[in-house]
Formats: sequence, structure tokens, C-alpha cells
Amino acid sequence: GNSVTQMEGPVTLSEEAFLTINCTYTATGYPSLFWYVQYPGEGLQLLLKATKADDKGSNKGFEATYRKETTSFHLEKGSVQVSDSAVYFCALPLNNDMRFGAGTRLTVKP
Amino acid sequence: GAVVSQHPSWVICKSGTSVKIECRSLDFQATTMFWYRQFPKQSLMLMATSNEGSKATYEQGVEKDKFLINHASLTLSTLTVTSAHPEDSSFYICSARNPSGIDTQYFGPGTRLTVL
Repeated sequence: GNSVTQMEGPVTLSEEAFLTINCTYTATGYPSLFWYVQYPGEGLQLLLKATKADDKGSNKGFEATYRKETTSFHLEKGSVQVSDSAVYFCALPLNNDMRFGAGTRLTVKP
Repeated sequence: GAVVSQHPSWVICKSGTSVKIECRSLDFQATTMFWYRQFPKQSLMLMATSNEGSKATYEQGVEKDKFLINHASLTLSTLTVTSAHPEDSSFYICSARNPSGIDTQYFGPGTRLTVL
């Protein structure tokens, strides 16, 4: 069945550093792929998504490209800010619900 | 975008009591809502799928008599933790699928339950 494997953290970066969080998937067909973000003490927010191969999702300076050749959907940001400190989840649909990666905790230090 | 609310945002209760958590879709109708549980520093685990007008579908290992789900309307689903025990302490998150976005879910802010 559909599943995602996500780079485990935690990840600690200095402000303005480049961020990459790896995510690979196993799926039947080509489902949409998602990144969700969870800020401390809050629920999940949709960060970005891509609905088909070669699509690039982007939001708030974050980007991820749906690559079917490598079955990957890595999350990137060129210059992180302290406010980006959160837990990031890669996800894809399975049946009617969503399957999440383990989550990667990002801490950005000033 | 679609908004999903949860109430309460946090609750502390005594062992043996029951706690009800509400999940509402504020600006769209949701025929299907989902309840997740999240332990500290872990990912979300699906507990059950809540279907409006019918019985919820529980994931394997989730006690349906302990976690009662009622999807009374197209905008409201409730999760009742019956006879709560300290091991039920967790962060409970609901989500709803926006009908206009087939595979996009919108999440509530979560409810932190602490059972003493």
C-alpha cells in the first residue's frame, strides 16, 4: 500500500541556512503528495502539495517537486527563519485518509 | 481556505470520567471526518473515519466502545473518550476532507487531553 519514508530529525539550522528534508514514497499509481507543518502546540497545516509527476508545490518560500523517477518529494527552502521552527510531515493519501511520515522536527536558531 | 475547529483545545479530567471533543467544519460540509491521535514527538495515527449518518470505521486496535464517534451533521463530528485513563492522555486531532479537493484534508488545531 501507499507509504512515505521521511528523513528523521531533529534538524537544527542557523537562520538563513538552506533546508532539505527528504521524503520518499511507495505508491500504486501517482497519488498527490503533501507536506504538512505543525507548529508547537497546534494542529497540522497544509504547507504545499503536488498533484502529479514533475509538479512543484510551493508556499512561504518552501518548495517540493514530485519526482517519479526517484519516487521523492523532498522539501526545500533556501533561507530558513526562526519562525520556521516546527515539525514537518510528508504525506500521501491511502484509501480515504492520509498516511504520514514520522515527522521531522526543525529548529532554527538566530 | 477551509477551516476546521476543535473544542476544547485542552482538557484535564479525572480517571474514570468521560470527555467529549467536538470537531467542526466551519465553511464547508464534510461527509467524512477523521480522528487522529498523536503521542509526544510522534506522527499522527489514524483512529477512525467518521461518516455522516452512519457508523464510524475504526482502525485495527482502536476500541470502538472506548472512543465513541458520532457524526451528527455535515459540519460536526464528536469523539467521546469514555472512562478515561492516564494512558488515554494524548493530542487528538480531527480533520475533514474538503469536497472540492478530493484528496486534501484540513486539520483542526487539536485537543490536548490529560487524564489524572
